[in-house]
Amino acid sequence: GAGVSQTPSNKVTEKGKYVELRCDPISGHTALYWYRQSLGQGPEFLIYFQGTGAADDSGLPNDRFFAVRPEGSVSTLKIQRTERGDSAVYLCASSLTGLAGGTDTQYFGPGTRLTVL
Amino acid sequence: GNSVTQMEGPVTLSEEAFLTINCTYTATGYPSLFWYVQYPGEGLQLLLKATKADDKGSNKGFEATYRKETTSFHLEKGSVQVSDSAVYFCALSERTGGFKTIFGAGTRLFVKA
Repeated sequence: GAGVSQTPSNKVTEKGKYVELRCDPISGHTALYWYRQSLGQGPEFLIYFQGTGAADDSGLPNDRFFAVRPEGSVSTLKIQRTERGDSAVYLCASSLTGLAGGTDTQYFGPGTRLTVL
Repeated sequence: GNSVTQMEGPVTLSEEAFLTINCTYTATGYPSLFWYVQYPGEGLQLLLKATKADDKGSNKGFEATYRKETTSFHLEKGSVQVSDSAVYFCALSERTGGFKTIFGAGTRLFVKA
C-alpha cells in the first residue's frame, strides 16, 4: 500500500511569505505527527494529531506555525511570515493509533525541504 | 525535560567490523526506546524498538537492550556491511496528550569495503 506522502518535495520562498506543506498519511492511521529536521540534527517534534484534534502542539516554535487536520486524514502545516531560520526539512509521520503505550510504529514521509531566502 | 544523547559521528568502520553506537536518555517516566535509520536518499525508518526495561530489540542483525539502571540503549551489530552505511537515530517516546518522540542528533556510519 501507499506510504506517507508529502508535497511539495521542495519549496523555496522569500522571507516574509506564507507557505503550506501538505501531508497524506497512510490510510486508516489515526495519529499524525509533524517534525522539523535541521541539517545535521535529529527530527524535532512539532505537533501531534489524534484524529482531527491536536493532542500535543508543544513543539510549535511560535505562533507563526499552525497545523490542521480537518477530516482526520490529510494535514497541512502552515507557516506565516517565514524567516530564514525556518529553513529545514519538515517531516510528517503517521501511526495506526498513536496511543499503544508509545510503541506504535511511526511511518515517515520523505519530507519537504523548505528554503527561505 | 526528557532528552536523548548519542555518540557523535561520523563512525568509520571496515566491512565485518563490530559496531557500537552509544545512546543514553533522560526521562521522568518509563518511555519506549527506538533506533531509526536513514539511508542515503531515503526517508527515516524504524530499525528496532524496546518498550520496557531489559527488553532487547533486534532487526537485520542489529540489536539494542533497554537498560534502565544505566538509562542506555546502545546499538550493536556483530559484523557490519557496506550497505549499513547510513545515519542512525536513537529516540524515546514519552506520554503527553498522546505520545511524542524525541530524537537524538544522529550518528553517521560509513562502512568501507
